[in-house]
Amino acid sequence: SQTIHQWPATLVQPVGSPLSLECTVEGTSNPNLYWYRQAAGRGLQLLFYSVGIGQISSEVPQNLSASRPQDRQFILSSKKLLLSDSGFYLCAWKGRANEKLFFGSGTQLSVL
Amino acid sequence: SQQGEEDPQALSIQEGENATMNCSYKTSINNLQWYRQNSGRGLVHLILIRSNEREKHSGRLRVTLDTSKKSSSLLITASRAADTASYFCATDATGAGANSKLTFGKGITLSVRP
Repeated sequence: SQTIHQWPATLVQPVGSPLSLECTVEGTSNPNLYWYRQAAGRGLQLLFYSVGIGQISSEVPQNLSASRPQDRQFILSSKKLLLSDSGFYLCAWKGRANEKLFFGSGTQLSVL
Repeated sequence: SQQGEEDPQALSIQEGENATMNCSYKTSINNLQWYRQNSGRGLVHLILIRSNEREKHSGRLRVTLDTSKKSSSLLITASRAADTASYFCATDATGAGANSKLTFGKGITLSVRP
């Protein structure tokens, strides 16, 4: 069966520090991968999605970047965190022939 | 920007009552989905309805879709305290495929009192 792993669960980082959040999927191949951010009261905002290795689409201009070095690995990064980067980050995947998303358990990022 | 907008923003009911949540959207869709999120956790898919469908059932869940009004409703019957969570509608303009992506609303906070 397919599973998605996302870590860490919580992260407290100072302003100006780098960021790396990792997400991996098991039990499937060639998935679509997504990074969402959830701010309090604002729902989920799609940040990046990827349809294949090295293929990244950015949905909003921001201080973050994403990479997909392997088929089932999706990484969210920043060189210098801002206070506004705080939020709950969710990784998700779906199969090409499916419509529903499967989410990871999320990372609560606090930038202080 | 959000495609789906849920209504109400918060709902508090007694256990055993029915909970109705509404979602409106702006552009044409291939399908509409409802997800549930327990506090501090990831979202879990509940039910999907396609643009050519009007109603679907899954256990205690009933979802309707009115494409002429660009709206959907989620009904949870005989609610339980364990149904307490946030509920999100999400729209998909393209359906399955390489460029498929979901746009989520802000969510509805449902509290079911024991």
